[in-house]
Amino acid sequence: QSVLTQPPSVSGAPGQRVTISCTGSRSNIGAGYDVQWYQQLPGTAPKLLIYGNSNRPSGVPDRFSGSKSGTSASLAITGLQAEDEADYYCQSYDTSLSGSVFGGGTKLTVL
Amino acid sequence: EVQLLDSGGGLVQPGGSLRLSCTASGFTFSIYAMSWVRQAPGKGLEWASLISDGGDSTYYADSVKGRFTISRDNSKNTLFLQMNSLRAEDTAVYYCAKIRDVSRWRIDAFDIWGQGTMVTVSS
Repeated sequence: QSVLTQPPSVSGAPGQRVTISCTGSRSNIGAGYDVQWYQQLPGTAPKLLIYGNSNRPSGVPDRFSGSKSGTSASLAITGLQAEDEADYYCQSYDTSLSGSVFGGGTKLTVL
Repeated sequence: EVQLLDSGGGLVQPGGSLRLSCTASGFTFSIYAMSWVRQAPGKGLEWASLISDGGDSTYYADSVKGRFTISRDNSKNTLFLQMNSLRAEDTAVYYCAKIRDVSRWRIDAFDIWGQGTMVTVSS
């Protein structure tokens, strides 16, 4: 069981907006540590999508946005495209474990 | 081009050892902390280990502590993971990853990833 909790799957039609939640606790997200989001296309390495809760690395489309509140964070994807179909992971730091922690991952299906 | 190249994976028997390598290019390797992250077949990502820029500080997940050793050779832009006493549950793709921010290296994002190297522990 992962320290950060994500829904196993979400889906949406092309052009729609979807959100993926990431729930932590007072030892990680709730302690003020930043949340990152990664996209993993089938058979490839993860790619950094959002860092510092809401910042996009150069080259990431502004269709992807992140937010954080309390012990939770969310990734929103607007204008859904077929190439967005992938696994998405949230990540933060946990002070009790003295290391990084990941969510279990969410599979996004574009209908 | 900023790049990480993982190597060293393979098939090993339970109780055996393996040494993974990660060669960096396109950035100043010696000023960034580095990590290993693994992914069991069909499963999610699991952070395994972290090393500071100079190599003097190391951290491990409980699942690998006492069995794995992370190290680096900054003169050769290379990161290592020595894995001993391997178990079936260590079977995974192992990725090396660069930490994004030099000043927040304990808690920051993984911004560059290697392509991964597969480790299979089986008799």
